[in-house]
Amino acid sequence: DIQLTQSPSSLSASVGDRVTIACRASQGISTYVNWYQQKPGKPPKPLMYAASSLQSGVPSRFSGSGSGTDFNLTISSLQPEDFAVYYCHQTYNTPRTFGQGTKVDIK
Amino acid sequence: EVQLLESGGGLVPPGGSLRLSCIASGLKFDNYAMTWVRQAPGQGLEWISLIYSTGTTMYYADSVKGRFIISRDNSKNTVYLQLRSLRVEDTAVYFCTKMAGVANPLDVWGQGTTVTVSS
Repeated sequence: DIQLTQSPSSLSASVGDRVTIACRASQGISTYVNWYQQKPGKPPKPLMYAASSLQSGVPSRFSGSGSGTDFNLTISSLQPEDFAVYYCHQTYNTPRTFGQGTKVDIK
Repeated sequence: EVQLLESGGGLVPPGGSLRLSCIASGLKFDNYAMTWVRQAPGQGLEWISLIYSTGTTMYYADSVKGRFIISRDNSKNTVYLQLRSLRVEDTAVYFCTKMAGVANPLDVWGQGTTVTVSS
């Protein structure tokens, strides 16, 4: 099974900060990585697909990069509504797997 | 607007069974693969199972293989997850999701249904 390791597991940041979350795969997965945002009590919301493509309706301050084993999700200027947990997810093969999540909270 | 509505969760003793349902609307259901993802209390997301559009190909996580069965009825726009031999560690919110094309992201999620396994 492909393991996804996110770093950091949590971070504290201020509104306006640039934030980057890393996701490392245990083997090469091309660009078969997607990112989700989850707020308490809600289902995850899709943010990015194919490593760097923005889902419809997602603000352009979100961006994704990477291929192979290393991927990043970047928020260029953190907004109050961005405080949440973020997950990466690989769809290269089955079983599909998620990273353990990165919690972004207010400094 | 595409919507997914799960039902069938509840409280069940260890060793028991449940069948979860997810009704889809606003899409041509038989064009899309569907998956189930679960989230234990205070924990992260766990991919559980996938069924392709024709219903003939299914995959499972090792943690549920042999105990859970995914199926679909395209005439009813519904995907099911049969849960058997339930364990305390199966306690979670179960989300139904639609799988999109490029890179297969899970682009639509239901609100989830809660399964609690406890004596």
